[in-house]
Amino acid sequence: DGGITQSPKYLFRKEGQNVTLSCEQNLNHDAMYWYRQDPGQGLRLIYYSQIVNDFQKGDIAEGYSVSREKKESFPLTVTSAQKNPTAFYLCASSMGRFLYNEQFFGPGTRLTVL
Amino acid sequence: GIQVEQSPPDLILQEGANSTLRCNFSDSVNNLQWFHQNPWGQLINLFYIPSGTKQNGRLSATTVATERYSLLYISSSQTTDSGVYFCAVAITGANSKLTFGKGITLSVRP
Repeated sequence: DGGITQSPKYLFRKEGQNVTLSCEQNLNHDAMYWYRQDPGQGLRLIYYSQIVNDFQKGDIAEGYSVSREKKESFPLTVTSAQKNPTAFYLCASSMGRFLYNEQFFGPGTRLTVL
Repeated sequence: GIQVEQSPPDLILQEGANSTLRCNFSDSVNNLQWFHQNPWGQLINLFYIPSGTKQNGRLSATTVATERYSLLYISSSQTTDSGVYFCAVAITGANSKLTFGKGITLSVRP
């Protein structure tokens, strides 16, 4: 069954801790993306990767880090430097390397900082 | 950057009613997508429609790229249509990123 999976679904973190959110896709898509959604808002781009071992900052990259060691995996680390990390995080992927291609989304991870 | 405005911000319908959701954008685009975000947060792809008209069951969409707007039509609405509808666009250009509007919250009452 092809799709995008994210884990965990809910994540609680104490202030000062780094946490890593998982994103996996079996669609054979080249590009992958991480977005952040705050209540009542649209999505904002954190990082994106068009090919393995390469990634680019999006609009709100400060306090986050990523890696792309495998085509199907694009984990996001929320570091202690992120000042307001409580949010809903969505991972997406698209076929081909052009960013304007149709994007498909995973189910999301809700991160709460206690 | 590109501006994306969706209207109305909130919409309440009685089950069975029809509705039109609008998305205005400020530049030429080569990607426009409509999504439905369900109550669990999942973003469901409705249409990939940088221009023209498409239909999928009770939903249809039209994008008039030259006039920089897109419309999403929902006919015979059902309670399961409730949620937030997002329009997202990418301006013309190979490395142009997707920019989201703030969404339209639709509530369909039984």
